[in-house]
Amino acid sequence: QVQLVESGGGVVQPGGSLRLSCSASGFTFSTYGMHWVRQAPGRGLEWVAFIAYDGNNKDYVDAVKGRFTISRDNSRNTLFLQMNSLRAEDTAVYYCASDLTNCGGACYSFDFWGQGTLVTVSS
Amino acid sequence: EIVLTQSPATLSLSPGERVTLSCRASQSVGINLAWYQQKPGQAPRLLIYDVSNRATGIPARFSGSGSGTDFTLTISSLEPEDFAVYYCQQRSNWPPTFGPGTKVDIK
Repeated sequence: QVQLVESGGGVVQPGGSLRLSCSASGFTFSTYGMHWVRQAPGRGLEWVAFIAYDGNNKDYVDAVKGRFTISRDNSRNTLFLQMNSLRAEDTAVYYCASDLTNCGGACYSFDFWGQGTLVTVSS
Repeated sequence: EIVLTQSPATLSLSPGERVTLSCRASQSVGINLAWYQQKPGQAPRLLIYDVSNRATGIPARFSGSGSGTDFTLTISSLEPEDFAVYYCQQRSNWPPTFGPGTKVDIK
């Protein structure tokens, strides 16, 4: 069955960095666009970043542009999110999620989700 | 940015009842609207995409309708496992956005 497992979350000081990973199994990872979606404690959902199936197209919400970098390694079925210059408002559970199945492109709805990893930015 | 509004914020219901949840968009999203279910401590789960298409494994008691700016998620008969928060999400305009959610809890 499809599994997405995030790791790399933790507590970091403002201005610090973290690298999140998402290990995928149970589906053909290399054919899916992938996303990061976050959820601040007790709050709603916010789309953060997208990467195309081949890594050649990337997209970010304005709030993280220039600070976060999404990447992938299809040989290892793994998605990454490098987060630099972290701010208190980046505190959230970060989910990796696959793009919509059979959509044929960058569809920006989210089919399979991981269980999430918590990032806390605090001094 | 398209703003999605969901109503009501909370619904208190009993198992077996019919549920109708509303999602309204600040401008037309065509048919590019999805619904997700999230239980406490769990990731969201895709229920419905493109207004009315059930995702894989989603029971037939879940259905979606609407177009343009007004959308509805209906649960025909609430099961105990359906008590959760439900979010709508649009992908018509960048950036993709979510509504604030409707919590369905046990009466």
